[in-house]
Amino acid sequence: QTVVTQEPSFSVSPGGTVTLTCGLSSGSVSTNYFPSWYQQTPGQAPRTLIYSTNTRSSGVPDRFSGSILGNKAALTITGAQADDESDYYCVLYMGSGIWVFGGGTKLTVL
Amino acid sequence: EVHLVESGGGLVQPGRSLRLSCAASGFTFDDYGMYWVRQGPGKGLEWVSGISWNSGITGYADSVKGRFTISRDNAKSSLFLQMNSLRAEDTAVYYCAKGLWGSHFDYWGQGTLVTVSS
Repeated sequence: QTVVTQEPSFSVSPGGTVTLTCGLSSGSVSTNYFPSWYQQTPGQAPRTLIYSTNTRSSGVPDRFSGSILGNKAALTITGAQADDESDYYCVLYMGSGIWVFGGGTKLTVL
Repeated sequence: EVHLVESGGGLVQPGRSLRLSCAASGFTFDDYGMYWVRQGPGKGLEWVSGISWNSGITGYADSVKGRFTISRDNAKSSLFLQMNSLRAEDTAVYYCAKGLWGSHFDYWGQGTLVTVSS
């Protein structure tokens, strides 16, 4: 079974830059997987940040950007703010109507 | 404004069934794929199932295949998830989401809690 991998946790200083990644247990992530990214704070529904690798969802600040870095999808936050402290999830489309989420990254801003 | 409102959650015994519903408004329902995503207590998001705009394609996570059935009623802008043979590990908040089929999830409901316990 395909496993989508994410860093369990990451820390960034206020104003700093952090890159979270989304990989596959076997193989490389490409644009063909339509990687998307979601932000979730405790007790809230997820919020869509990035889709189709690098398209920002409506209302998402431009300090959030998506890309492919090497063999992984990546979410970069430039100029991190305190309210960016959240859980971040990627999801990949495997084809044939199947999606798989990564395990999520807990981002701390301190 | 897009609204997705889930209902039907609750406490159910292992082995029993439950049917979740999602009422949609604020967009052209039959233009979009619809999805169920769940989150167990203290756990991450898990994609459960998806259905294309015309019900022609459905997909299921391995963890629910053969037990859960997704369906939609475009005339009533509603999405459903029939959950049979429920297990303790199905305990989660179940979110309804919409999005272009084969792409991403762009709007989410607030979720409904399903607790499977004796």
